Amino acid sequence: NAGVTQTPKFQVLKTGQSMTLQCAQDMNHNSMYWYRQDPGMGLRLIYYSASEGTTDKGEVPNGYNVSRLNKREFSLRLESAAPSQTSVYFCASSGRADGELFFGEGSRLTVL
Amino acid sequence: SQQGEEDPQALSIQEGENATMNCSYKTSINNLQWYRQNSGRGLVHLILIRSNEREKHSGRLRVTLDTSKKSSSLLITASRAADTASYFCATDSTREDYKLSFGAGTTVTVRA
Repeated sequence: NAGVTQTPKFQVLKTGQSMTLQCAQDMNHNSMYWYRQDPGMGLRLIYYSASEGTTDKGEVPNGYNVSRLNKREFSLRLESAAPSQTSVYFCASSGRADGELFFGEGSRLTVL
Repeated sequence: SQQGEEDPQALSIQEGENATMNCSYKTSINNLQWYRQNSGRGLVHLILIRSNEREKHSGRLRVTLDTSKKSSSLLITASRAADTASYFCATDSTREDYKLSFGAGTTVTVRA
């Protein structure tokens, strides 16, 4: 059982480049999330999708876009990467609004 | 802004000792969760306590919740080297379902 799978695991970008982080879950969960983790900051919510067909902004959405492609997949796009977006990005899913989150292993992004 | 804040930021204990960490939050919650993160890995759910519960146990973990003080504590008894990790509390908000807010975490080091 794979759970939540994120790709790529590592990526280096130059300022201004674009890229998409992919996330897929095989647990038939309705809700999916994108967080970023920076040293000393904990995890901050970027965007979330409560169910297929809906997306909403989290705490730090600027500079990002998301697509809930279907129930399994939730992608995060950086249109024009900036050094401030250097971070570790985590995708998570949940079967209930107040339930536990299942996390992927993270995608480590460096923007030069 | 982050809802939860953990205290202390870091904790070093001897194997076999107990580890206690605290979490304070700001607004009314439906539930509070604790997660563990091993170095370089994703977060793993440990335990969820609902706002109408005061204490919960899971193996060597004991969680308390005091909604009047807006605080929670996580106790790990008889610690092992494998407990070395960062621990995060996460809270939702009664006004914002689906949005789980994480603190900056407590880094626990268990010395052999």
